[in-house]
Order: sequence, then structure tokens, then C-alpha cells
Amino acid sequence: GENVEQHPSTLSVQEGDSAVIKCTYSDSASNYFPWYKQELGKRPQLIIDIRSNVGEKKDQRIAVTLNKTAKHFSLHITETQPEDSAVYFCAASRGGANNLFFGTGTRLTVIP
Amino acid sequence: KAGVTQTPRYLIKTRGQQVTLSCSPISGHRSVSWYQQTPGQGLQFLFEYFSETQRNKGNFPGRFSGRQFSNSRSEMNVSTLELGDSALYLCASSLAGRSDEKLFFGSGTQLSVL
Repeated sequence: GENVEQHPSTLSVQEGDSAVIKCTYSDSASNYFPWYKQELGKRPQLIIDIRSNVGEKKDQRIAVTLNKTAKHFSLHITETQPEDSAVYFCAASRGGANNLFFGTGTRLTVIP
Repeated sequence: KAGVTQTPRYLIKTRGQQVTLSCSPISGHRSVSWYQQTPGQGLQFLFEYFSETQRNKGNFPGRFSGRQFSNSRSEMNVSTLELGDSALYLCASSLAGRSDEKLFFGSGTQLSVL
């Protein structure tokens, strides 16, 4: 089955700096790569996703890049704010949103 | 539109007991997935139901089972509970689980096994 690795496990940045979280996947048939944000005590929420026919996708301060050849994808958050502090999970799937394999999460702390 | 609703929010059980968790998907959503979240293992896929049929299954023992009703509501059952089953169980729904859809999570049921 699919195996998703995520790094780093914790990340601290100063407010206004950028944050980058990286994931690798093992199944070359995976074609859907979402990112979820989970604040303490709350449900995971989709923040951005990318499909294998696209190399990069941007939504305001958040961007995701995908390198299919190397089987890795990354989340980039620019101009970080304290409210960006949360655990971020990457995931991969070959069949869409209903069968996701998650990374182990990155705890991002934005220091004011 | 109401989101994904899970009940109960918290559960405390003892080893050997069984437990049933409930999930009501977003209105109109027919695909329901279940995930187990633990600090050590992260989010792990349990199974997915669509039109009352289990369509996908993760690598969990047979003690973990589920079902889906005609109104798309789903239940998950864990029999012969073990201490390691303590976790946050998350339910998620999508329209039909197709590759162009997005997944929406419920707030979860926090299960503690003593």
C-alpha cells in the first residue's frame, strides 16, 4: 500500500517568515494530494489540494508543489501569522478523496 | 448546511467491551470514510462505505467493522476493545468519493479504553 512520509515533525518560524513542509509518497499510481490543517481539539480541514496533472497550485499565502518523478510534494506558507499555528497533514491517494493515506503531521508554531 | 456529525463526542470503555460510533454525513454525501487518529500513528484509514457497501478497507483487524444505512449514516463498531484502541475516531464524507471531490471531516469521537 501507499506510504507517506512527512518532514519535519515540528517547525517553529517567526511571524512573517515562510514555512515549508515536505512529503514523499511511495505509490506511483497516487494522483491526489491534499493538505489538511488541524487546530488543537478541532477537526482536520482541507486547506489546499493538488492533482497529478498539475505541478503547482496557489491560494493566497498557501502553495503546494508536486514532483511526480521524485514522488514528493511540498506545502509552502508565506507571510506566516500566529493563526497559522496548527498541525498540518499531507496525504496521498490513487482513487480520490475517499481513501487517503496520511503523513504523520507537522506541528507548526508561528512565534509572534 | 450542517457538517459531518459524530456521536458521541467522548466515550470511556474497559478492555474486552465493544463500542459503536455513529456518523451522519453532510446532506447529499453518500461516501463515508472512517479514520483512527493517535499521537504515535497519525491518521490511519479504516474503511469507506458507499451506497451501503464497503468499498475500501485499510489494514485494521476484523474487530473493526462498519456499516452504512440507506440514508448514508454510518456506524463503526469495535469489538473486544484493547488498550491500544484508545484514539480519536474521525468520520469524513464526500459526495461519492470520486477523484474530483473533497473530503470533509467530523469533529471525531474520543475513545478511551481503560
